[in-house]
Order: sequence, then C-alpha cells, then structure tokens
Amino acid sequence: EAQVTQNPRYLITVTGKKLTVTCSQNMNHEYMSWYRQDPGLGLRQIYYSMNVEATDKGDVPEGYKVSRKEKRNFPLILESPSPNQTSLYFCVSGTYRYTEAFFGQGTRLTVV
Amino acid sequence: GENVEQHPSTLSVQEGDSAVIKCTYSDSASNYFPWYKQELGKGPQLIIDIRSNVGEKKDQRIAVTLNKTAKHFSLHITETQPEDSAVYFCAASGYSTLTFGKGTMLLVSP
Repeated sequence: EAQVTQNPRYLITVTGKKLTVTCSQNMNHEYMSWYRQDPGLGLRQIYYSMNVEATDKGDVPEGYKVSRKEKRNFPLILESPSPNQTSLYFCVSGTYRYTEAFFGQGTRLTVV
Repeated sequence: GENVEQHPSTLSVQEGDSAVIKCTYSDSASNYFPWYKQELGKGPQLIIDIRSNVGEKKDQRIAVTLNKTAKHFSLHITETQPEDSAVYFCAASGYSTLTFGKGTMLLVSP
C-alpha cells in the first residue's frame, strides 16, 4: 500500500528539548516536503527536497532543520523547540512537481 | 513566490445542492492544480487534479475547471451529501513547491 508514515502522531515536549519527527515514504518519490498547519494560516511549507542530498527552505524555515540522506526518509528536526512551534505538521511526498502527492497522517506537536 | 487565494472560507449548503469553491494563483509557471479534502483528525487526501493543458476534468460528482488566462480554477461538487462535509484545499504546483490556499470548510446539512 502506498503511504507516507510519520512518527510520532502526537508529542508534548518542553521548550529547548531537541526532537525529531520522522517521515518515510514507500513510493520512491523524489519530491518531499514538510508543512505546518495552523488555524487561519492554512498549510505553510517549512522545507522541501527534490532528491537525495538536495534540500531547501520553504516559507517558514526558522527553527527547523531537515536532512535527506536516503530517498525514502525526510526527518524534521527541531533543535530547540519553542511554544510558537506548537502546530500540526505534515510530511508530503510526490512525483515530479508534486503530481499526485500523498500526505502523512500528521504529527500534533505541543511545546510547553 | 506563488500565492494562492481561496474563497469562500466557509460554505454551508443543504444536502443535494451544489457547492463551488474558487481559487486564484499568481505564478504563470504553475502547471498542476490539485484539490485536497481534509476530514477531522486526518491528513489531506487528493480528490481531483487538473493540469494546465486541460480546461475541465470530471470524476462522478466532482469537477474542476481551469482558466489559465485568468489564473483561476474552481471545484464543483454536485448533489452534495453529508459525508462531503470537510475542509477543502486547492493548491498550485510550481517547479519545487506546492502552494496551498487557506482552505474552505464545507458543511452539508441533511
């Protein structure tokens, strides 16, 4: 079954404690992105990758890092989380230019 | 960068009515326009898409139209049902990014 798997689904953490949200896809997609979804602001792109070792900033990259060492995995790293990073996060993967893109199930992050 | 505007933000209809959601985009290089449906507690799911070389596409009760000259595209849902209630997002795909509208909450009353 084609899918994008994110972990964890829910996470409550404290300010400053490093965390990683994992994302893995089984469709051999080249394009992957991270988005955050906030009420009234919609879906905003954090980082994207068009292939292994090729990543770039999206619209709201501050406070986040990513890596793409393998085609299937695209982890999102928050090295020093702050309360304004409390949000719902989605990993997305797709073929060329996100044709038929798939979303992960989402990660609900709360930073206290 | 690309900017996608979506209207309305909320749409209430009676079961059986039609619903129309409209989006505009700014970057003429965008050439792929998907629509996603997000149900409560779930990630968005692709429901229909259209490419820039096509003016209209239909899949059962759902249709999408694209006007490249005016840079706008629309989602049409006919014979709405309560299970159509969800948040709908339009998006425009450029070379490296997928830019979303802010979403439309569709409420279908029985």
